[in-house]
Amino acid sequence: DADVTQTPRNRITKTGKRIMLECSQTKGHDRMYWYRQDPGLGLRLIYYSFDVKDINKGEISDGYSVSRQAQAKFSLSLESAIPNQTALYFCATSDTGSGIEQYFGPGTRLTVT
Amino acid sequence: QKEVEQDPGPLSVPEGAIVSLNCTYSNSAFQYFMWYRQYSRKGPELLMYTYSSGNKEDGRFTAQVDKSSKYISLFIRDSQPSDSATYLCAVYTGNQFYFGTGTSLTVIP
Repeated sequence: DADVTQTPRNRITKTGKRIMLECSQTKGHDRMYWYRQDPGLGLRLIYYSFDVKDINKGEISDGYSVSRQAQAKFSLSLESAIPNQTALYFCATSDTGSGIEQYFGPGTRLTVT
Repeated sequence: QKEVEQDPGPLSVPEGAIVSLNCTYSNSAFQYFMWYRQYSRKGPELLMYTYSSGNKEDGRFTAQVDKSSKYISLFIRDSQPSDSATYLCAVYTGNQFYFGTGTSLTVIP
């Protein structure tokens, strides 16, 4: 089984709908991240969490919220989806002891129509 | 100014060629520099990283950092078709990672 899993893998939704993307990890890492990837813009950080009680905004947090339900679970929500949130979303994890090594999930392709 | 700038390519080379991928970064305080490889429809995977300046070699791959010019390079020797992917450079601040936009590489058999 994969160490970092994301659900769903693909999602099409309509403008204004609320949607949640979920991430789970079995690596035992304490740090988790959400990124979005857009052509020509690369990977941009949305939110990151260093433990269950620590949530931080990244470069592009507007329009998103997160929840760290447990050390192994980190969810990203779009409260009211808009078309320019169409992107590839990645969850990643790392460990405080060796913070350099970041492990990515397979990604969720989200389309907002 | 973005933290990391990367030429998006695309780059197409024949099998066996030496490939050079490059990035520049903005903040001289950055100490950790990474290269990720991303295959189509997959998440990025860490290829290698360097601390401070100098070179690091791993098989056919060499990462180089020139702090005087704020330049990051990845060299691939004897490139193979399996090296065809997007390569992303990144820096680590201790809290966050900042990524370049990625360079798409195709190695033609």
